[in-house]
Amino acid sequence: NAGVMQNPRHLVRRRGQEARLRCSPMKGHSHVYWYRQLPEEGLKFMVYLQKENIIDESGMPKERFSAEFPKEGPSILRIQQVVRGDSAAYFCASSPNPNTDTQYFGPGTRLTVL
Amino acid sequence: GQSLEQPSEVTAVEGAIVQINCTYQTSGFYGLSWYQQHDGGAPTFLSYNALDGLEETGRFSSFLSRSDSYGYLLLQELQMKDSASYFCAADTGGFKTIFGAGTRLFVKA
Repeated sequence: NAGVMQNPRHLVRRRGQEARLRCSPMKGHSHVYWYRQLPEEGLKFMVYLQKENIIDESGMPKERFSAEFPKEGPSILRIQQVVRGDSAAYFCASSPNPNTDTQYFGPGTRLTVL
Repeated sequence: GQSLEQPSEVTAVEGAIVQINCTYQTSGFYGLSWYQQHDGGAPTFLSYNALDGLEETGRFSSFLSRSDSYGYLLLQELQMKDSASYFCAADTGGFKTIFGAGTRLFVKA
């Protein structure tokens, strides 16, 4: 039973480029959460999605960031026109229900913006 | 605002017992989770307390006091592999989990 999968594991972009991060939840999980983690800091909630719906995006910057979870395929976190401050680890987590007591995390994507 | 406070780092020796405290201030509260994260790795779920009291799972135990807005993670018989960051996280009843900044545990031989 595969866990949460994220790719790529490492992503390097130059300022102004776009970054696309993918997340495949655990089998049977239809609830996906995205978090950002800066070095030596905790996880900051960005967005919560169910299939084809964004439920809560209160933690996501209004500009340049978007997320989707289509009916088929992985969830995508997109960052347009990246800046150095976007460099961080981005983790995706999934759960079988909307309760947030237990979430299963993927290995993360480490984004470096040059 | 909503926040969780925990010590930034703790050092202990192999075989010892260590307690990592967490105080929380949230607009809603349903329970407290603990996660472990090794350097470069993903957070891994350890425990969840919805009710007051102590929950024991092997060498790890977690405690919650809702009246004090306080919880802790207790690690017994410390091993070198326990060196990691430990995060408390509040289930606020919505879809958003609020994480503390993490406690870095160093286990010495």
